[in-house]
Amino acid sequence: GNSVTQMEGPVTLSEEAFLTINCTYTATGYPSLFWYVQYPGEGLQLLLKATKADDKGSNKGFEATYRKETTSFHLEKGSVQVSDSAVYFCALILSGGYNKLIFGAGTRLAVHP
Amino acid sequence: ETGVTQSPTHLIKTRGQQVTLRCSSQSGHNTVSWYQQALGQGPQFIFQYYREEENGRGNFPPRFSGLQFPNYSSELNVNALELDDSALYLCASSRTSSGDSPLHFGNGTRLTVT
Repeated sequence: GNSVTQMEGPVTLSEEAFLTINCTYTATGYPSLFWYVQYPGEGLQLLLKATKADDKGSNKGFEATYRKETTSFHLEKGSVQVSDSAVYFCALILSGGYNKLIFGAGTRLAVHP
Repeated sequence: ETGVTQSPTHLIKTRGQQVTLRCSSQSGHNTVSWYQQALGQGPQFIFQYYREEENGRGNFPPRFSGLQFPNYSSELNVNALELDDSALYLCASSRTSSGDSPLHFGNGTRLTVT
């Protein structure tokens, strides 16, 4: 079936460290891929997306590249801040379908000063 | 522009009871989706409503039902509550029902079933 697998957290980093959160997917067809972020007590916010192979999504210093050959969409940031502490979710939507997001389990990031 | 708003923010119910959660979609959005997020897990798709009709459903039993109103606001109803229904329920609206239309999420309703 269609699914998303993320690296388990929590990920604990010092401020200004490099971040990678791994995400791989299994899907029929050609999905669109997303990263959402959830801050404490809040809903989900779209961080970035990519709709086809080799597309790079970017926002607020975060980047992720749609890799069809490895079915991956890893999230990266060159220098994290304390304010980036949140839970990050990788997700996909199947092409040609309705708006059903399939989420990974989420990865909690904690950034310390 | 008003975002997606959900009510109530928190709710405590007893097993076997019924609950109704409410969602106001963002201005200009005609599609509403509902998700269940259990503690420590990713959200799971419950169903989607477009123009007052359910047009997609996830793997949830019939005791989970919904409505969408002419102003595109929506309700999620859960009958015969079970302990495992304790979760954060997220509503999301979008401009259209297609997968190309970004989802905008509300802050959720935290349901606790005792």
